Amino acid sequence: ELKVEQNPLFLSMQEEKNYTIYCNYSTTSDRLYWYRQDPGKSLESLFVLLSNGAVKQEGRLMASLDTKARLSTLHITAAVHDLSATYFCAVDDFGNEKLTFGTGTRLTIIP
Amino acid sequence: SAVISQKPSRDICQRGTSLTIQCQVDSQVTMMFWYRQQPGQSLTLIATANQGSEATYESGFVIDKFPISRPNLTFSTLTVSNMSPEDSSIYLCSVVRIAGLRSSYNEQFFGPGTRLTVL
Repeated sequence: ELKVEQNPLFLSMQEEKNYTIYCNYSTTSDRLYWYRQDPGKSLESLFVLLSNGAVKQEGRLMASLDTKARLSTLHITAAVHDLSATYFCAVDDFGNEKLTFGTGTRLTIIP
Repeated sequence: SAVISQKPSRDICQRGTSLTIQCQVDSQVTMMFWYRQQPGQSLTLIATANQGSEATYESGFVIDKFPISRPNLTFSTLTVSNMSPEDSSIYLCSVVRIAGLRSSYNEQFFGPGTRLTVL
């Protein structure tokens, strides 16, 4: 059974600081997604990572994938309050678009 | 991204009743899924809504409890039957946009969700 774990579960950080969210998974999948969820809202697609060594950046967020380590990271640079949200990674194990989600990381940026 | 709408956006229901949730997409999509997000939890896949055939359910979910219809490539319904308070969750449909002119890879987009409270 595929397991997807994120850490930390909760993260409070000050503005302008850098931090990393980690997503570990238990299979050899090379298809990993990052989503953002604001309170009471649906999921917003952030990144799609499809190969070992893939790195994507959008604004203050950068995601990477290491399929050998079965690890993806979401790095936040110089955090701002607008980034406060819950972030989920999700893995497509068999290439059939069925996603197994991580536990989520609730990020709070403190002014 | 695909434009996805769900109805209702939220509902409060009594134990033992059933609720049907609708998911409408603005373009034809091959793959459509239903997920559940229990309070404060992550998302869990309920089933794949197959057009013209029976849905494919994940472990722990059965058709009698969560019947799904998919009459065409833009619409699906999920019914939560004989509800109990444990069914209180957000139910989300998702669709996959296949790689093509807009993107070199498949992307999965989620509807706004239906927040269900069962008393």
